[in-house]
Amino acid sequence: DSGVTQTPKHLITATGQRVTLRCSPRSGDLSVYWYQQSLDQGLQFLIHYYNGEERAKGNILERFSAQQFPDLHSELNLSSLELGDSALYFCASSVYEGSARETQYFGPGTRLLVL
Amino acid sequence: AQSVTQLDSQVPVFEEAPVELRCNYSSSVSVYLFWYVQYPNQGLQLLLKYLSGSTLVKGINGFEAEFNKSQTSFHLRKPSVHISDTAEYFCAVSRNTGGFKTIFGAGTRLFVKA
Repeated sequence: DSGVTQTPKHLITATGQRVTLRCSPRSGDLSVYWYQQSLDQGLQFLIHYYNGEERAKGNILERFSAQQFPDLHSELNLSSLELGDSALYFCASSVYEGSARETQYFGPGTRLLVL
Repeated sequence: AQSVTQLDSQVPVFEEAPVELRCNYSSSVSVYLFWYVQYPNQGLQLLLKYLSGSTLVKGINGFEAEFNKSQTSFHLRKPSVHISDTAEYFCAVSRNTGGFKTIFGAGTRLFVKA
């Protein structure tokens, strides 16, 4: 158990809908990262937040957005969902701002299926 | 731009045999290199990383990797595998320029047979 929790574990929805994925980092960790793992695209970095502020963006679609709240939990919002958005969405957390010297601890993921 | 190539999508091996999972990267700047493991239905776990210094890096569960700058490789090795090593292994690179971002390879599925 990494100490990172993600809810829900599974989510099934229809095209065109909007969903919110939630991530609670390890106690004391200030950074949250979101990743998408799909059969087509593999594992991709989406976005990084540190202490409520966006720090880095990866291959995140405009239909997707994220935020980190004062209690440091983070939410990833996916809207106008398409079949191709079906994937496993991971979040990870680390103590500080994000550097190679830090270890990222991954949650178990949320499996999203868009029908 | 950076990229990571994992040369084998699947590697079957017998228990107690040695294994090498290959990874090549390309980058115009200095990068940091990582290997992660993903067990079935779980998130990723860091095995080891190369930041600087000694090119031979030792990680958890008996794994090690060697950074070879001239060949732009970061191959993962274990001298004797166990059934419990069956998992997906991801090589990754990152750099701190423009924010900390990690790029992953496509993954190598290691299947250890009894």
